[in-house]
Amino acid sequence: EAQVTQNPRYLITVTGKKLTVTCSQNMNHEYMSWYRQDPGLGLRQIYYSMNVEVTDKGDVPEGYKVSRKEKRNFPLILESPSPNQTSLYFCASSFRTGVKSDTQYFGPGTRLTVL
Amino acid sequence: AQKITQTQPGMFVQEKEAVTLDCTYDTSDQSYGLFWYKQPSSGEMIFLIYQGSYDEQNATEGRYSLNFQKARKSANLVISASQLGDSAMYFCAMSSDSNYQLIWGAGTKLIIKP
Repeated sequence: EAQVTQNPRYLITVTGKKLTVTCSQNMNHEYMSWYRQDPGLGLRQIYYSMNVEVTDKGDVPEGYKVSRKEKRNFPLILESPSPNQTSLYFCASSFRTGVKSDTQYFGPGTRLTVL
Repeated sequence: AQKITQTQPGMFVQEKEAVTLDCTYDTSDQSYGLFWYKQPSSGEMIFLIYQGSYDEQNATEGRYSLNFQKARKSANLVISASQLGDSAMYFCAMSSDSNYQLIWGAGTKLIIKP
């Protein structure tokens, strides 16, 4: 089944404890992206990747890191989480980079709470 | 700057009625694409429909259609014969040649009443 998977789905952690949210897609998609969703703000892009070893900042990159060592995986790293990073996180992918008509397919989301 | 505006934070609609969810956009690009996504209470984001700026006909996907009015810069989602399962958040998003990253609206919460 073609899908984007994220793990964990739910995470409660404490301030300053490093964490990684994994994202994997099995569709051979070129483009991958991370978003956070907060009430009333819609989705805001954190980082995106146009291909292996190519990543760039989105609108809200502060406090996050990413890597794209393989085409299928795009982990999101929070080196020192803070309470303002409590949010719902989505990973998404699309077939081609730079093609505006390509639909982005989303993972199921990761609900993160930082105490 | 590019922007998506969804002016309806929430809507209540009677089951089986048609629903129109508003979306207006702002871009100086001539070539762009508009998307609608559905987010049920379970949280996942589900792609519904896409409209390209040069598409001559309004997009349709089953009960979903997109009322695209280019001169007004609006791309309203129409759901015909609403069902209880249509209750969800709905997001409008845009990408363009100059910025293929999706720009998102704040969403509309739709509740279908039985």
